[in-house]
Amino acid sequence: AQKITQTQPGMFVQEKEAVTLDCTYDTSDPSYGLFWYKQPSSGEMIFLIYQGSYDQQNATEGRYSLNFQKARKSANLVISASQLGDSAMYFCAMAQNTGANSKLTFGKGITLSVRP
Amino acid sequence: DVKVTQSSRYLVKRTGEKVFLECVQDMDHENMFWYRQDPGLGLRLIYFSYDVKMKEKGDIPEGYSVSREKKERFSLILESASTNQTSMYLCASSTSGTGRPYNEQFFGPGTRLTVL
Repeated sequence: AQKITQTQPGMFVQEKEAVTLDCTYDTSDPSYGLFWYKQPSSGEMIFLIYQGSYDQQNATEGRYSLNFQKARKSANLVISASQLGDSAMYFCAMAQNTGANSKLTFGKGITLSVRP
Repeated sequence: DVKVTQSSRYLVKRTGEKVFLECVQDMDHENMFWYRQDPGLGLRLIYFSYDVKMKEKGDIPEGYSVSREKKERFSLILESASTNQTSMYLCASSTSGTGRPYNEQFFGPGTRLTVL
């Protein structure tokens, strides 16, 4: 069975600094996809970044990068130059090995607060 | 832009009522999903659908059913609402056709359901 673990209960970061949000996963499938989503207080889930298990390089999307360490089964999200608008809940998720129409398994989320 | 809409942002129902939550996506996505989100539990998958008239159980299908008569519309049905179904319900959709092994899901704004 798949499992996503996000253990940080809440994170604080100073505006303009970088922050790392931790995510570890557990799967026996060699093929999987890892996703990060942001959920602001408005409630909408916003897709941030994707990493495939066979991707050779770590994914990057603007200020977001994914520190993918396959052997350690970790997929930490790094947000550079934090902004006040980054304050939100962040969820890590993994897709099962059933192809492009896969369902996602989500972690419990981490709350990030950016201080001015 | 992908748009996923849900019929209500807030809904209050009484125990025993039949409740319909509607979700519509406008990007011709093959896959649609229903989740519920509860504090400290993350998102949990209720049901999903890969095609019209097809449905698959997720992790917590008990007490729910779904209907997908048209590609763009996926309905979640609570046959007899109970207080433990008070929650935030999120609908999502995804395509199978990007050529990537796994594709992100796009979410609606959510429906906060209260069962009294």
